[in-house]
This record gives sequence, structure tokens and C-alpha cells, in this order.
Amino acid sequence: EAGVAQSPRYKIIEKRQSVAFWCNPISGHATLYWYQQILGQGPKLLIQFQNNGVVDDSQLPKDRFSAERLKGVDSTLKIQPAKLEDSAVYLCASSSDRGSLEQYFGPGTRLTVT
Amino acid sequence: GDSVTQMEGPVTLSEEAFLTINCTYTATGYPSLFWYVQYPGEGLQLLLKATKADDKGSNKGFEATYRKETTSFHLEKGSVQVSDSAVYFCALNKGGSNYKLTFGKGTLLTVNP
Repeated sequence: EAGVAQSPRYKIIEKRQSVAFWCNPISGHATLYWYQQILGQGPKLLIQFQNNGVVDDSQLPKDRFSAERLKGVDSTLKIQPAKLEDSAVYLCASSSDRGSLEQYFGPGTRLTVT
Repeated sequence: GDSVTQMEGPVTLSEEAFLTINCTYTATGYPSLFWYVQYPGEGLQLLLKATKADDKGSNKGFEATYRKETTSFHLEKGSVQVSDSAVYFCALNKGGSNYKLTFGKGTLLTVNP
């Protein structure tokens, strides 16, 4: 079974530029999560999808961050415009349904904003 | 709000030493508790979990017991190996309306031969 795929693995941009990250969850997994992991901290949930609907986006900075999962499969997280404090690893995870305790994580995208 | 506190790292041990990484939590209700491990260059992997008080989670020689009276979930291993070198994260999940994980800051473990 293929794991959670993410791309790109690394990205360097200047502040005020835009960037997008892509995630393809494990096949058949209905729930998809995006987490932000700042250096030295644990991951923090940004947004959670159940199929193509948003379950929780309370910690997503909506003035600059957006995310979509149009067909209930893969997902894109966008930052526009980026700030220096957005430098972090962006992790995507999936689980088989909302009641599943186990989340499977992708390798992450390391973003550096200069 | 909910939170998880882990012992500060880094932790450096010699091979075959005993490992303890402390984890305590603050949460209402009855959360499920997890330890995740992140090897260099890889994503987070679930190491073990416990879903109710007094449950013991175990995997790959690691163990942790859900202690509700002390709100703790300390990770232990009797004899560490070089291959255990990684960052370890304690986390909780309350379920309910969503199943988001609340993580601690992580503890870097380095095991020397």
C-alpha cells in the first residue's frame, strides 16, 4: 500500500511570494489533515477535510492560507503572500475515516521563506 | 485548551541504556494518547497508543502506560539501539467533533554505539 505522498519536498521562496503544496493521501482514506511544524515545536493542525468538506480550519490563517480538496482525494495548500514566520515543515496526514485514531503522515514539505 | 508537555531534549544515551521520556498532558474528558517517532528525513510514524486509563501501549520494545491519576504517558525502553535515534513526539486525540492530534514539542534522542 502506497503511503501519503507530498510534493515538493523542499521549497525556498522570498517573502511576499506565493507557494503551493500538494498531498495525495492513502487510497480510500476519507479524512485528510494539514499540519504545520515549526522548528523545535510539535506539529499543529491547520485544516482537516472529511472527503471534500472542511471539518476544522480554526487554526488556519485565512488571510494568507487556503486549502482545497475538490474531488475528495488529493489536496493543495497555498500560502499567498508568504511571511518569514511561515518557514516550517508542512505535513499532510490521512486516516480511513473520522473515527479512526490512527493518522498516517507523509514526509512533509520543508518551506524556507527568505 | 488541551496541551502536551514533554521532557526537554536532547537526550543522549549509550547503546543498551534504559530510556525514559516523560510526557504529561492537560485535557478535559478522556483523550487517547500516542507516541509518534520521526526518523531523520522521514515523516511521523505511529509508535504506540493507548485509548483508556491503565492501558499499556507497546511496540518495538517501547512501552507507555496511560496514567490518568498523574495525567502521564511516559515512554520507556529497556535497551536502546543506535537505530532508535530519532525525534519522539507525545500526542493526544480527544475525538468528538474532530480527531486532530495535539502534539508535544518533541524530544531528540541520540544513541551512541
